Amino acid sequence: EAGVAQSPRYKIIEKRQSVAFWCNPISGHATLYWYQQILGQGPKLLIQFQNNGVVDDSQLPKDRFSAERLKGVDSTLKIQPAKLEDSAVYLCASSLLVSEQYFGPGTRLTVT
Amino acid sequence: GQQLNQSPQSMFIQEGEDVSMNCTSSSIFNTWLWYKQDPGEGPVLLIALYKAGELTSNGRLTAQFGITRKDSFLNISASIPSDVGIYFCAGKNGNKLVFGAGTILRVKS
Repeated sequence: EAGVAQSPRYKIIEKRQSVAFWCNPISGHATLYWYQQILGQGPKLLIQFQNNGVVDDSQLPKDRFSAERLKGVDSTLKIQPAKLEDSAVYLCASSLLVSEQYFGPGTRLTVT
Repeated sequence: GQQLNQSPQSMFIQEGEDVSMNCTSSSIFNTWLWYKQDPGEGPVLLIALYKAGELTSNGRLTAQFGITRKDSFLNISASIPSDVGIYFCAGKNGNKLVFGAGTILRVKS
């Protein structure tokens, strides 16, 4: 079974630029999560989707971050405009409705 | 918000030694999970615990769900070089995971 796919794996941008990350979850997984992992910390949930709908986006900085999951499969996470403190690894995870989460390899973002 | 305290922050051990790490919380969780993260990769699930007092093994790994539901520990027996990495505990209520800051494990061969 294929795992969670993410792209790109690495991205370097200047502050105030925009960036987008893509995630393809495990086939059949209804729930999709985006996490931010700052160096030296554990992952922090940004947003959770169940199929097309947002379940939890309480920790998403909505003034600059947005995410969508059209058609209930792939998802994109966007940052516009980026700040220096957005430098982190952005992890996507997926799960069945009630099961454990499986993580993708992440996208390492560096904002200069 | 909910916070998990993981200890130790890092450890440097000899190959063949046993390793213990733990995780505590001020909040109760219904599920405790242990993940391992290698450099440049996402966390990989090692063990999931669903019931207070539960003791579960996965090869050389053993984890326990504390009776109070506020703590968990992970033991690794007879460590080998490929055990290096960062080990995260995570508490779960519903579908929401809260992660600890991780324990960095380095093994001297």
